[in-house]
Amino acid sequence: AQSVTQLGSHVSVSEGALVLLRCNYSSSVPPYLFWYVQYPNQGLQLLLKYTTGATLVKGINGFEAEFKKSETSFHLTKPSAHMSDAAEYFCAVSTFGGYQKVTFGIGTKLQVIP
Amino acid sequence: DTAVSQTPKYLVTQMGNDKSIKCEQNLGHDTMYWYKQDSKKFLKIMFSYNNKELIINETVPNRFSPKSPDKAHLNLHINSLELGDSAVYFCASSQGWGEDFRGWANVLTFGAGSRLTVL
Repeated sequence: AQSVTQLGSHVSVSEGALVLLRCNYSSSVPPYLFWYVQYPNQGLQLLLKYTTGATLVKGINGFEAEFKKSETSFHLTKPSAHMSDAAEYFCAVSTFGGYQKVTFGIGTKLQVIP
Repeated sequence: DTAVSQTPKYLVTQMGNDKSIKCEQNLGHDTMYWYKQDSKKFLKIMFSYNNKELIINETVPNRFSPKSPDKAHLNLHINSLELGDSAVYFCASSQGWGEDFRGWANVLTFGAGSRLTVL
């Protein structure tokens, strides 16, 4: 079984400040990890993903995440928040092989304060 | 535009009615999904089809019946609607399964969602 825990359902940052959204996963086999973003009244879109190889992955809109196996974490960061970053962010996990489900965390709502 | 499109975007109906949501993708993907997002934004997979074959069927009331006439379409029919069915239903697709995809198989492309309100 696999699962994802997102710490903090709401995160507020000031415009220009560092964004840090936390995600820890549980998986009995090597995971694939994802971050998705959902803007109001829209579907989710992929920000970035980790499968194998380099543990620091870069995504769209200046976001990046680092896979840390020892900490079972995949935290999402952005050096400087923009107003347009205000959205709901979902961490997700799946595994390789067969008909594997993608399991989502509960989401973290990011508020950017001007 | 290449996309996952679902209709209708909004659906308001009375308890006990039957309704359908349609989904189409023109990405050439082999696998399609239905997800339910509740009022707290929690996303839960309901069904998945790979090339018209049902491969994931979560614990969902049998009032919910998916149908995939071809690999580009996945529809969701709901019978005897209940208040608890109110949610946003998302259709999604992905490339498929197998080691050649290096994780892209598990990357989901979502539709814009269908907000169902049961009164």
